Amino acid sequence: QEQLMQSGGGVVQPGGSLRLSCAGSGFTFSNFHLAWVRQPPGKGLEWLSLISYEGDDKFYADSVKGRFAISRDNSKSVLYLQMNSLTVDDTALYFCARVLEKHVRYVVSFGFDVWGPGTTVAVSS
Amino acid sequence: DIVLTQSPGTLSVSPGETVALSCRGSQPVTATHLAWYQQKPGQAPRLLIYGTSHRATGVPERFSGSGSGTDFTLTVSRLQPEDFAVYYCHLYGRSYSFGQGTRLDIK
Repeated sequence: QEQLMQSGGGVVQPGGSLRLSCAGSGFTFSNFHLAWVRQPPGKGLEWLSLISYEGDDKFYADSVKGRFAISRDNSKSVLYLQMNSLTVDDTALYFCARVLEKHVRYVVSFGFDVWGPGTTVAVSS
Repeated sequence: DIVLTQSPGTLSVSPGETVALSCRGSQPVTATHLAWYQQKPGQAPRLLIYGTSHRATGVPERFSGSGSGTDFTLTVSRLQPEDFAVYYCHLYGRSYSFGQGTRLDIK
């Protein structure tokens, strides 16, 4: 069964740091781009970051650029999100997700097809 | 960045009805990059549609997607009780943005 399992959430003070982990199983981890998405309490989804198969390419939302860093260890099948300089606005449920690249009639379509269950990050003094 | 706007924000409907949820881009969108997700309380989102109109594995045929340019639609036919949830459109690439969501409530 293809799945992503998350760990590393918790409560942290403003200005603090936290590292989230996302372990993949049931599929060849290095064959997929991976992403982080968050959801503040009672609000919608916000894409945060994406990393390519080997980690060569990384993309960030403006809201976290310069504070968050995405990385991966394909030998361990683990995705990471290092979060620094946290503020109360970073309080959310954080999801990792796998990128589906589906070849349909000579074109490639995309989506996030496997999601972790989410881990809660609460930034509070 | 491309902004996706979903409408309506909330829709109250009865089981058995058919609904159309709208997702509009602030600029033309590459159709192969437009996806729809369903999210139920306390759960991670679930991929329903990718590439505007392709159903993900295991998604019932009553879910269908269409659109081009700036206007995209998710249609849910013959609503079942388990379909009442929040639906998000999403653009892969460029801004990777999500729409703000449409909530389907039972009337």
